Amino acid sequence: GENVEQHPSTLSVQEGDSAVIKCTYSDSASNYFPWYKQELGKRPQLIIDIRSNVGEKKDQRIAVTLNKTAKHFSLHITETQPEDSAVYFCAARTYGGSQGNLIFGKGTKLSVKP
Amino acid sequence: DAGVIQSPRHEVTEMGQEVTLRCKPISGHDYLFWYRQTMMRGLELLIYFNNNVPIDDSGMPEDRFSAKMPNASFSTLKIQPSEPRDSAVYFCASSGQRGGTEAFFGQGTRLTVV
Repeated sequence: GENVEQHPSTLSVQEGDSAVIKCTYSDSASNYFPWYKQELGKRPQLIIDIRSNVGEKKDQRIAVTLNKTAKHFSLHITETQPEDSAVYFCAARTYGGSQGNLIFGKGTKLSVKP
Repeated sequence: DAGVIQSPRHEVTEMGQEVTLRCKPISGHDYLFWYRQTMMRGLELLIYFNNNVPIDDSGMPEDRFSAKMPNASFSTLKIQPSEPRDSAVYFCASSGQRGGTEAFFGQGTRLTVV
């Protein structure tokens, strides 16, 4: 089955700096790659996603890149702010027919220092 | 739509007791996922359903765990008998149809087994 590795497990940056989180996946059939943000005591919520037919996607200060050949994808946050502090999860999904498993990496705790 | 609804929000039970967690997915969604979240293991996929049919239960840790989806608007995760190591936050998520590939999470059930 699918296995998703995520690095680093913790990341500390100064406000205004950029943050990068990297993930690799094992199943070449995976075709959907979402990123979730989870604040303390709350549920994970989607912040951005990318499909396998796209190499890059951007939404304001957040961008995601995908390299299908290497089976890795990354989250980039620019101009970080204290409210970006949270745990971020990457995930991979094989979506089609009845298949639809959604496997998560172990998370990255991002701390943005003012 | 009220989103994915889980109950109870908190559950404290004694070792050996039966525990039942409940989930109501978003109307029209055809995928339903059960996850367990701990500090050590992150977000583990336990089982997922498509159109009320279990597709992959390979993440269910032991025979003590069972899940059902009797209809499109209700699912249960049961632990019998419960053990202290089952203490975790259990999330239900749904996706598909109107929501497309994005998975929406419920607020979770925090289970403590003493």
